[in-house]
Amino acid sequence: AQSVAQPEDQVNVAEGNPLTVKCTYSVSGNPYLFWYVQYPNRGLQFLLKYITGDNLVKGSYGFEAEFNKSQTSFHLKKPSALVSDSALYFCAVAGSNDYKLSFGAGTTVTVRA
Amino acid sequence: DARVTQTPRHKVTEMGQEVTMRCQPILGHNTVFWYRQTMMQGLELLAYFRNRAPLDDSGMPKDRFSAEMPDATLATLKIQPSEPRDSAVYFCASGLGSEQFFGPGTRLTVL
Repeated sequence: AQSVAQPEDQVNVAEGNPLTVKCTYSVSGNPYLFWYVQYPNRGLQFLLKYITGDNLVKGSYGFEAEFNKSQTSFHLKKPSALVSDSALYFCAVAGSNDYKLSFGAGTTVTVRA
Repeated sequence: DARVTQTPRHKVTEMGQEVTMRCQPILGHNTVFWYRQTMMQGLELLAYFRNRAPLDDSGMPKDRFSAEMPDATLATLKIQPSEPRDSAVYFCASGLGSEQFFGPGTRLTVL
């Protein structure tokens, strides 16, 4: 079975400060890891993914994530947060053979001006 | 700009009524997923199709839910009879490979 944990329900940061959203995973075999963002009353939007290769993955809107196999983590980061980054962020993991996503509970990010 | 479309966007119905939700995947995508989002359970996978064939519907209550893909441009999720606990936002996603593209969702309220 595969699963994802997002230990923080909420993350609050000031605009211009670094933003980190934490994610740890559990999966048999090599993980496929994803981050999605959801704005109010909208569907999920893809941010980035890790399949293989470089542990640091760069994605949309200035976000990046670092795959750490020893810590089974895939934390999302942004060096300088914007108010418009305020949203609900989901980490997800898929097995390598079927792409079925298991989502974390989500982390609400609030960036204050 | 290719997008997954879902209809209706909102649906309010009474307990016991049949509900059908429709999804048009992005042209050329060979996988379709149905998810349900609630405050209590978060995002749950209900069903999964590849090349129109159902591969996994283990997340779906079999007695009342059914999912089909009558053709490559249409996926349906049906609830019959609906119950108040089915109230949720239902998302369809399509993909080609590892990345999934989500539709805007259908917000279902069962009274």
